[in-house]
Amino acid sequence: RKEVEQDPGPFNVPEGATVAFNCTYSNSASQSFFWYRQDCRKEPKLLMSVYSSGNEDGRFTAQLNRASQYISLLIRDSKLSDSATYLCAVNSRGYQKVTFGTGTKLQVIP
Amino acid sequence: NAGVTQTPKFQVLKTGQSMTLQCAQDMNHNSMYWYRQDPGMGLRLIYYSASEGTTDKGEVPNGYNVSRLNKREFSLRLESAAPSQTSVYFCASIGQGGTYGYEQYFGPGTRLTVT
Repeated sequence: RKEVEQDPGPFNVPEGATVAFNCTYSNSASQSFFWYRQDCRKEPKLLMSVYSSGNEDGRFTAQLNRASQYISLLIRDSKLSDSATYLCAVNSRGYQKVTFGTGTKLQVIP
Repeated sequence: NAGVTQTPKFQVLKTGQSMTLQCAQDMNHNSMYWYRQDPGMGLRLIYYSASEGTTDKGEVPNGYNVSRLNKREFSLRLESAAPSQTSVYFCASIGQGGTYGYEQYFGPGTRLTVT
C-alpha cells in the first residue's frame, strides 16, 4: 500500500460547484499534513496546512480525520482559476521528510 | 528574495552522458531536497540534506549523487544518464514558518529528457 494515496481524477466540475478531494495515509504516526496546488508545468505551492481541528481559508476548507487516516480538501464556489492538480503531503518521519500523494486533477468548466 | 532557483530549466541528454543540476536558496534554510516527478508517480524523494555537510538517500537514489556545497547550494549529479531518468526534477528547501513550524518551498523545476 502506498504511504499516501489520492484519486488521480480528473474531477470535471462546473463553475460555482463545490468539490471535495480525499487523501488517505497509511502511517498512523503521521504528524503533519498539507495540501499543495500544482499548475501545469509549474512547481507545487503550499495551499494550506491541515490543522487537527480543521481549518478554512476563504473558499477552501481542510479537514483531518486521524481515526480513519485521511485528510480532505473542500473547494466551494469553484472558479476557473482553481483548475490545477492538488497534492496532499504527509510528514511521518520527522519534519525533514514529507511524502506526497500523486495528486488529484481538477478542471473547472465554464 | 529569489527563493529557490534551479538551473538549467530544460536539458536533453544522450544515454550515458553526465550532467549536474544546480539548486540554490537564499532563505537561509538548513534542509534541502531533490525530487523527481513522473506522470502517475507523484513527487518522489531522491536525496535530501538536513544540514550543511550531510546528505541522505530518499526513496529513489539509484543513479544519482548529490553535493551540499554550502548552506545555499545543493546539486544533483547524473553520472551516466539513462532514459528512465527522463523526468521533471524539483529542488526544495524547508524553513521555519507555518502551522507546524516549518514550510517547504520548491524551485521551478528542471525538465530533463534522456534519449
